[in-house]
Amino acid sequence: TQLLEQSPQFLSIQEGENLTVYCNSSSVFSSLQWYRQEPGEGPVLLVTVVTGGEVKKLKRLTFQFGDARKDSSLHITAAQPGDTGLYLCAGGLGAGSARQLTFGSGTQLTVLP
Amino acid sequence: SQTIHQWPATLVQPVGSPLSLECTVEGTSNPNLYWYRQAAGRGLQLLFYSVGIGQISSEVPQNLSASRPQDRQFILSSKKLLLSDSGFYLCAWSVLWAPLHFGNGTRLTVT
Repeated sequence: TQLLEQSPQFLSIQEGENLTVYCNSSSVFSSLQWYRQEPGEGPVLLVTVVTGGEVKKLKRLTFQFGDARKDSSLHITAAQPGDTGLYLCAGGLGAGSARQLTFGSGTQLTVLP
Repeated sequence: SQTIHQWPATLVQPVGSPLSLECTVEGTSNPNLYWYRQAAGRGLQLLFYSVGIGQISSEVPQNLSASRPQDRQFILSSKKLLLSDSGFYLCAWSVLWAPLHFGNGTRLTVT
């Protein structure tokens, strides 16, 4: 069973601060997805990274896939209250059914105004 | 555009009662369909997935079952609920190995 560990589990910061969330595994993944989930709703895809070392930017969010494709990070610059939510990483093991998608345990981010 | 509908949004059921949660997808054909359960503020556990009508794969032994009577309909059921079945249930769809699209979930409380 492939495991994805996310850290920190909880993070509470002030508006305007920067933060980084980590997603680590001992397994190699063919792709890594990041989702954000708000209370009472389903997760929504933010980004997919597929190449080792890949960096993708989505406004103030920067996603990086590790060179060995075992880990990923999400960096948020100048966090805003609207960034509050549960951030989930999910590793894919290859083409085929998403049955092979393994979710991390999540990072609950709270951005205080 | 594709949409996914999941209902009900919340449900309170007594122990031993039956369960039926329904999920439908619009705007796509032959999607992969999934049922996940999520503990409060935590990651997702895959319960069932389906690659076609009548094709159901179970990931973990449990008190629940799933069925896919139509291409874009996925149902999660139980004959007799247990307290441990309480949780947040999410339906999702994908095409091949593309990212998942989730419904808004059902909060199930078994009392």
